Parts: sequence; C-alpha cells; structure tokens
Amino acid sequence: LAKTTQPISMDSYEGQEVNITCSHNNIATNDYITWYQQFPSQGPRFIIQGYKTKVTNEVASLFIPADRKSSTLSLPRVSLSDTAVYYCLVVVNGQNFVFGPGTRLSVLP
Amino acid sequence: GAVVSQHPSWVICKSGTSVKIECRSLDFQATTMFWYRQFPKQSLMLMATSNEGSKATYEQGVEKDKFLINHASLTLSTLTVTSAHPEDSSFYICSARVDNEQFFGPGTRLTVL
Repeated sequence: LAKTTQPISMDSYEGQEVNITCSHNNIATNDYITWYQQFPSQGPRFIIQGYKTKVTNEVASLFIPADRKSSTLSLPRVSLSDTAVYYCLVVVNGQNFVFGPGTRLSVLP
Repeated sequence: GAVVSQHPSWVICKSGTSVKIECRSLDFQATTMFWYRQFPKQSLMLMATSNEGSKATYEQGVEKDKFLINHASLTLSTLTVTSAHPEDSSFYICSARVDNEQFFGPGTRLTVL
C-alpha cells in the first residue's frame, strides 16, 4: 500500500491561500489521490480526488506533478470554518482507503 | 453525493454489555462497507471490510469475535461490540464505496463505563 506523509499541523490566517503537500513515493499506476476533511466528532468529508495534473472544484484545487509522488491540496481564501484535519489518501484500485495521520489546519482570525 | 447514516450517534453502556451500531447507505446500494475506529487526536484506523452476503475481512490485530460485523443487505451493515470494556470507548465510523470514492457516515461515539 502506498504510504502517505503530510505535515502534522499548519497555521494560517483568514483570507489566505493554504497549500498542504502530501508525499506518496510508492504510488502505483492505478492509484488515485483523494483528500478528505474532518471536523471533530464527525465523519470525514470528501474534498477532491485526482489522478494527474490539476483538478479543481468549487472548494479546492489539487495539483499532481508528472511523477505523481506528491500532491498539493490548495484551499483558496480560507475562513475560520476551514479549521479541521485534512487527510491525503492513495486509493488502490478503489479499495484500501488507508488514512495517514492527517494535517491539522488552524485558521486564525 | 451519496449519503451514509449511522445509528446511534452516541451510546453509553456498562462494561460487559454488547452494543450494536448500524450503518446505512440511504440513496444507493453498497456491496462493500468499511468500519473504522478513531481515538481522540488520532487518525482513522480501518477495522474491517464488510461485504454483502459474505464474511467480513478484518485488519490485523482486530478481534473478529469481539467486533461482529453483519452485512445482510445492500444498504445495511452492523457492527456489534461484544462484551465492551472501557478501552473500547472510541469513535466508530462506517463508510461505503462508490467507484473510487468513499462516503463516510457521521460516526458513533461509544463510551463504556
């Protein structure tokens, strides 16, 4: 299984862009990269998923370089409500959703 | 997106009793569901993969006789914590897979006194 590495925590201020990078050096050809957000005492919520290059939706962008050994979640203009834990997962053939330790993002006023 | 519900949201029980947690896919059928456990300030740990109509697959270190999983229909999986002890107190989360996405339930907070 592809193991992921993320920063344990990050601080930001309201209105700033936040970029969280995840390393997944042994990602395989068929693996997808997925990011989840989790608030305390809630289940994880899907943010974005990608395979290569760039993916953008209404809440975030995901940048994946050509070698796919890392990925960067970009949150534009964060607000206080974006304070949460963000998990990067490598999904192997639609199975094996293994969570790493995640990144605890704190957005300050 | 697909909606997954869990019941109950929280439960408090006495040590030695059994507790059943339900996980339902509300607007889709799920042949595969997953059960996770999360301790405070920690990440989610996969406990088992629940397959409709067959036995669950447990992760290493998870006691199958203690955490009974039943996936009797395409919309319902249950996790029963048997003879619960205080160390089983945790946040239990289920999820269901749709293609390459996984949709999570809101979680169940179990407290064993």
